[in-house]
Amino acid sequence: QVQLKQSGPSLVQPSQSLSITCTVSGFSLTSYGVHWVRQSPGKGLEWLGVIWRGGSTDYNAAFMSRLSITKDNSKSQVFFKMNSLQADDTAIYYCAKDDGNYVGFAYWGQGTLVTVSA
Amino acid sequence: NIVMTQSPKSMSMSVGERVTLSCKASENVGTYVSWYQQKPEQSPKLLIYGASNRYTGVPDRFTGSGSATDFTLTISSVQAEDLADYHCGQSYSYRALTFGAGTKLELK
Repeated sequence: QVQLKQSGPSLVQPSQSLSITCTVSGFSLTSYGVHWVRQSPGKGLEWLGVIWRGGSTDYNAAFMSRLSITKDNSKSQVFFKMNSLQADDTAIYYCAKDDGNYVGFAYWGQGTLVTVSA
Repeated sequence: NIVMTQSPKSMSMSVGERVTLSCKASENVGTYVSWYQQKPEQSPKLLIYGASNRYTGVPDRFTGSGSATDFTLTISSVQAEDLADYHCGQSYSYRALTFGAGTKLELK
């Protein structure tokens, strides 16, 4: 069955980078894209970006300068990296499987709670 | 970016009540709207896609409707397990997805 499992740190120092890996199973990254979404404490969902099946990417304009999404198809892994984190980047970060723009996100990772603090 | 505005921010209800949640888009998004339910400490779960299509396994007490800029999620008879946050999101602009701020459903 489809699964997305995230791994990454829970604590990041201010101005440092955040790296999260999303390892997928039950589908191929050559056939489906993967999105990244975050949720700040007590807030709504915020779309960050996507890596499409062909490897191209689209980013939320607000994060474009400090966000990078890459992948390794052979390892079924997607890599999320955000630079220059500040306190307001404290959030739960999710990866989610792309099933086309009409279907929404049926499959999500378990989320990675990231706290930005010294 | 397309702004999605949800109302109310929170609402208190009793088991068995009918509940209607609203989601308004700042521009026409057709029927490219999804609804998600999120319980504490859990990832969001897809309820409705394409504005009115119930996702697999979603109870039929959940109904989505609307098009263009106005969308609603109705729970015909709220159950205790429906207490959660509900989020709407648009995928019309698929390279710039946006979500609403969410509605919190609480027990009266």
